[in-house]
Amino acid sequence: AQSVTQLDSQVPVFEEAPVELRCNYSSSVSVYLFWYVQYPNQGLQLLLKYLSGSTLVKGINGFEAEFNKSQTSFHLRKPSVHISDTAEYFCAVSDLPGTYKYIFGTGTRLKVLA
Amino acid sequence: GAVVSQHPSWVICKSGTSVKIECRSLDFQATTMFWYRQFPKQSLMLMATSNEGSKATYEQGVEKDKFLINHASLTLSTLTVTSAHPEDSSFYICSAKSAGGGGTQYFGPGTRLTVL
Repeated sequence: AQSVTQLDSQVPVFEEAPVELRCNYSSSVSVYLFWYVQYPNQGLQLLLKYLSGSTLVKGINGFEAEFNKSQTSFHLRKPSVHISDTAEYFCAVSDLPGTYKYIFGTGTRLKVLA
Repeated sequence: GAVVSQHPSWVICKSGTSVKIECRSLDFQATTMFWYRQFPKQSLMLMATSNEGSKATYEQGVEKDKFLINHASLTLSTLTVTSAHPEDSSFYICSAKSAGGGGTQYFGPGTRLTVL
């Protein structure tokens, strides 16, 4: 069965510094990968997704992620964070084929410090 | 595009009563919707998959008679928590799967249920 690991439960970073949030998944023949952001007491907002094609995926709010098949990773990066990026970030893998159920990581809390 | 709404956003009820939560896809048709439960500071736990016009598929350990799911149209799924108890207090989030895009799920804003 698929599994998703987000090793960092919390990541503190100063404003305008770069950040990388790590996500590793168990290997599979093919995967769809997603990053979502959740602000307090809200649902999840899609940041970006990898379905196929270019391994570097650009998303909203200046975020990007790189799909690395050999390392089974899909790390999320932003070159310069803002206070408003403080939130919980979830990595998800789509369960293929057919059901399209997501397997979520445990989440990483990004805290941007002034 | 791809907006999902939930109603209500927050509900408080007495123990033993039933509560219905609605999930709507506002600008697209969703043949499949998902219901999740999220405890504080934890990830989302999938409760069930709701397919339009058919019975929901529940995850292991989720009581189907307690959490009734109805997906009567391509834009509406409902979750009814029957005979709610304090341990059912949680944040319930729905998502709707788009037809294309690798099955990308779009999430509603969530419903905070508090059972007294």
